[in-house]
Amino acid sequence: QLQLQESGPGLVKPSETLSLTCTVSGGSISSSAYYWGWIRQPPGKGLEWIGSISYSGSTYYNPSLKSRVTISIDTSKNQFSLKLSSVTAADTAVYYCARARGNSRRFDPWGQGTLVTVSS
Amino acid sequence: SYVLTQPPSVSVAPGQTARLTCGGNKIGSKSVHWYQQKPGQAPVLVVYDDSDRPSGIPERFSGSNSGNTATLTISRGEAGDEADYYCQVWDSSSDHWVFGGGTKLTVL
Repeated sequence: QLQLQESGPGLVKPSETLSLTCTVSGGSISSSAYYWGWIRQPPGKGLEWIGSISYSGSTYYNPSLKSRVTISIDTSKNQFSLKLSSVTAADTAVYYCARARGNSRRFDPWGQGTLVTVSS
Repeated sequence: SYVLTQPPSVSVAPGQTARLTCGGNKIGSKSVHWYQQKPGQAPVLVVYDDSDRPSGIPERFSGSNSGNTATLTISRGEAGDEADYYCQVWDSSSDHWVFGGGTKLTVL
């Protein structure tokens, strides 16, 4: 059974870079059948797609965040990562990683999520 | 960019049928996925490709999609169905994933 687990600092200072890693277990991240995504949810608000990456490293970003986002993949470690630069309080959210599968690219399964707070 | 519109809230009486809508321009030409999110938990896929159910999801959950509206139907509503529900599509023209704003379902 595939599982995903987010990890990284829970507190980031304004203007700094948020860095998170998603570790995939129970399956290979290298399959061409899947994409790997980051989604966030500010407290009390809805889901926002941040970006996705293929096994080969092709990236796709939300236009509203594109200038600040970098997603990378490390197939040797079965991990993919998110970097979000120049963060502000508006970037405070629960960050989820998930696998996107199928031609229609549904997200399933999801990690449990990790809360990142931007504060000095 | 593609936009999905969901009503903020829907209420249903126990045992009755809830219909949650997701509106988008020609959404009937896209594949729609639905996620259930309970407080403090990660979203869970309940319907994919308009009307398919992942294993373990009750048959009470069904979906349809036509024209400019996709619908998640929850039959015989239970207290345990109370959650936020999000629709999602992949916009192939831009290679972007899009979520609706979510609907809070109340069973009362």
